Amino acid sequence: DADVTQTPRNRITKTGKRIMLECSQTKGHDRMYWYRQDPGLGLRLIYYSFDVKDINKGEISDGYSVSRQAQAKFSLSLESAIPNQTALYFCATSDRGTNSDTQYFGPGTRLTVL
Amino acid sequence: LAKTTQPISMDSYEGQEVNITCSHNNIATNDYITWYQQFPSQGPRFIIQGYKTKVTNEVASLFIPADRKSSTLSLPRVSLSDTAVYYCLVGGYGSSNTGKLIFGQGTTLQVKP
Repeated sequence: DADVTQTPRNRITKTGKRIMLECSQTKGHDRMYWYRQDPGLGLRLIYYSFDVKDINKGEISDGYSVSRQAQAKFSLSLESAIPNQTALYFCATSDRGTNSDTQYFGPGTRLTVL
Repeated sequence: LAKTTQPISMDSYEGQEVNITCSHNNIATNDYITWYQQFPSQGPRFIIQGYKTKVTNEVASLFIPADRKSSTLSLPRVSLSDTAVYYCLVGGYGSSNTGKLIFGQGTTLQVKP
């Protein structure tokens, strides 16, 4: 969805480096999410935020941190990258005003940790 | 959290109707049923959502029986471009798993010429 953008789209880094992935949205949604996807598997939730002052851990938050700088921006940081964090990372948004929590995804960031 | 079960893979041919069934025996009263489509190296894309009975949009239909313990995504007259992974999810605002959508492995649909 073009309303949800992620930067960078691809990143190669080394073990131990700190790295930040950024997500921006123009949909005006309150809720934002970070997922990771490993080859052949479904998406797993890392962190989610229901508004600027709300941050919640997901299924696999260890080794990650997030920052919700504004309603439209949600960043994911890897404090000290390790090879098993090599994955495809997706940001998503949803609208608090609906009952159904439909999520809209960004194009993804392919991260490789050497 | 309501768990879903769907076939790992399905094959079809162009022009055929494809039905993918998902089981969700523990669906909660407030849960919606949502289907997403994902192409390789892209983010999942919303296809259709329903709560009960039948929902139809320009790309698919969703059939939900009265007990809501299963649902069927129907893709009419598939084409090669419908080759993708299809995820069935249950959840929604106000339910116990708000914001915690479980994607599972999905169903890989391969459409052949």
